[in-house]
Amino acid sequence: GQQLNQSPQSMFIQEGEDVSMNCTSSSIFNTWLWYKQDPGEGPVLLIALYKAGELTSNGRLTAQFGITRKDSFLNISASIPSDVGIYFCAGQLGNTPLVFGKGTRLSVIA
Amino acid sequence: SQTIHQWPATLVQPVGSPLSLECTVEGTSNPNLYWYRQAAGRGLQLLFYSVGIGQISSEVPQNLSASRPQDRQFILSSKKLLLSDSGFYLCAWSVTGSWGYTFGSGTRLTVV
Repeated sequence: GQQLNQSPQSMFIQEGEDVSMNCTSSSIFNTWLWYKQDPGEGPVLLIALYKAGELTSNGRLTAQFGITRKDSFLNISASIPSDVGIYFCAGQLGNTPLVFGKGTRLSVIA
Repeated sequence: SQTIHQWPATLVQPVGSPLSLECTVEGTSNPNLYWYRQAAGRGLQLLFYSVGIGQISSEVPQNLSASRPQDRQFILSSKKLLLSDSGFYLCAWSVTGSWGYTFGSGTRLTVV
């Protein structure tokens, strides 16, 4: 089946630094989504992207839907301790189930 | 507003025992329902999904089964648990034509 390559697998950053993570796919999607999972909880949707080239912000988060429809990135500016968690990208084509990346584990050092 | 309930939150079961995890959704009709498993705090593996009552699609053949006896109820079962069934099980729902899934808070299953 389809697979998403998400990188990096983990990041250790200082509080206040910016963070960037990305996902690539061998096939196209028409929706890209970014989720965050806090420890012991279910993932929560952060940003949804519907159109190739679209750039969307949600507070300190910015995400882009790649022009080829095969990639997406998520940036977090000025990280804070509560940004800690696992970030997942997900792609969807039509009504097929979402395909998830393996996640990026973010640790923030105060 | 829509809510999703998943229980129990944690479960410790011996090898060979049966399993039943339940998920219910409120505030919407005819949702698409999903069961995911997450091992070792990392990737989400789709196990089953359902687009209607009595309809189940299995993504990965394994020791588990799913049922949808009512429109907003999704059950994950096993007749005999294996050690490898341990993990974090997540239920999710979506509506056809809209984007994204909403996840429940998960069940941490430990098979001993």
